[in-house]
Amino acid sequence: DIQMTQSPSSLSASVGDRLTITCRASQGISNYLAWYQQKPGKVPQLLIYAASTLQSGVPSRFSGSGSGTDFTLTISSLQPEDVATYYCQEYNSAPLTFGGGTKVEIK
Amino acid sequence: EVQLLESGGALVQSGGSLRLSCAASGFTFSSYAMSWVRQAPGKGLEWVSVISGSGGSTYYADSVKGRFTISRDNSKNTLYMQINSLRAEDTAVYYCAKARAERVSAALNYWGQGTLVTVSS
Repeated sequence: DIQMTQSPSSLSASVGDRLTITCRASQGISNYLAWYQQKPGKVPQLLIYAASTLQSGVPSRFSGSGSGTDFTLTISSLQPEDVATYYCQEYNSAPLTFGGGTKVEIK
Repeated sequence: EVQLLESGGALVQSGGSLRLSCAASGFTFSSYAMSWVRQAPGKGLEWVSVISGSGGSTYYADSVKGRFTISRDNSKNTLYMQINSLRAEDTAVYYCAKARAERVSAALNYWGQGTLVTVSS
């Protein structure tokens, strides 16, 4: 089974900061990688699929990159409404494993 | 508008059984794979199972293999999860989620509100 490792597990940043969250797969998954955002008390929402394709309606300050084993989610300018936990998920092959999550807070 | 409505969550004793349902609307149900994802209180997301649009392919997390059975009734636009031999560690909110494609290897673009399963010992 593929293991997904996210880092950091939490971070605190100021409004307007640029943030990068990383996700590493234990073996190559091509670009079969999704990012989800889960705001406190809410249902997860798809942000990015195919490693870099923005889901419809997602603000352009979110972007994804990577292929193979190393991936990043970038928020170009952190906004208060971005407070959430972010999860990566590989969907190259079952089990479709999630990363452990990265909790983003505002300083 | 895509809607996914889970039901069937309950307080159950360890060793018991439960069947979760997810009623789907707003899309051609048989054209998309569906997954169950769970989240234990205060914990991260755990993928549980997936079924292809036709129902011909199913996969499970190791933690539930042999105890959980995913199925779908495309005539009723409904996804199911039969859960047997419940354990305390199965306590979680269970979400059903729609995949972006018929095949199982696809991202999840719509999620239900979840149904809570609590296992008491």
